Amino acid sequence: DIQMTQSPSSLSASVGDRVTITCRASQDISNYLAWFQQKPGKAPKSLIYAASSLQGGVPSRFRGSGSGTDFTLTISSLQPEDFATYYCQQYNSYPYTFGQGTKLEIK
Amino acid sequence: QVQLQESGPRLVKPSETLSLTCTVSGGSISDYYWNWIRQPPGKGLEWIGYIYYNGNTNYNPSLKSRVTISVDTSRNQFSLNLNSVTAADTAIYYCARSPGDKRHFDYWGQGTLVTVSS
Repeated sequence: DIQMTQSPSSLSASVGDRVTITCRASQDISNYLAWFQQKPGKAPKSLIYAASSLQGGVPSRFRGSGSGTDFTLTISSLQPEDFATYYCQQYNSYPYTFGQGTKLEIK
Repeated sequence: QVQLQESGPRLVKPSETLSLTCTVSGGSISDYYWNWIRQPPGKGLEWIGYIYYNGNTNYNPSLKSRVTISVDTSRNQFSLNLNSVTAADTAIYYCARSPGDKRHFDYWGQGTLVTVSS
C-alpha cells in the first residue's frame, strides 16, 4: 500500500494568516492526489483533486500543488470557517490511502 | 445538489454482520463509482471499496474476505455488508461518490458511527 504522510499533524494560526500543509507519498502517484476538509460531525468536503484542480464552489484561497511524491495545500488568507482538519488522499493505486490528517486550530 | 445519507443499525454484536445502506438523492446513481470508507474513533481513514453502478466492485485487500458491496439502481442506493465483525470494526462509516475509476471523492455522506459490542 502507498503510505501518505502529512505534516504538521496540528497547526495553530490566526485569521488572515497564510498556511501550508504538506503531504508526501511513499511512491510516485503522479497527480492522483486529493485534499479534503473535515469539521466535527460534518460530511468531509472535497477541496482539491488532481493535485491542483479546485472543486466547484471552493474558494480560490485554497491552492494545491505538487506531483510525484510531494504535495502541498496552501490557504492564502485564513478565514474563521477554515479551522478544521485537512486530509490528503491518493487514488493512483489500490487500495486508496489517506494521510493521517492536519488539525488547523485558531491561535 | 447531490446528497448521500448512510443508514443502518448503530450497534452490531461480535461475529455478526454489519449492514449499511447509502441513499443517493439529487442525482442518479448511474455512471458513477460508489465508495465506502471508515474511520475508527481517534484513528485514520480506511477505504473499504467501491461499486460501479453496473455492479463491478473493487475491495481493499485487507477487508476483501469479509466485504460485499451491492447496488440497487431502482432505489438509488448502494449497500455495505461486513461479516464476522469484531470490536476493531467499530468506526464511523462514510459513503462517498467518485466521478470515475481512480478519481477523487467529490461527495460524501455525513457518516454513521457503528459500534461492535455484545
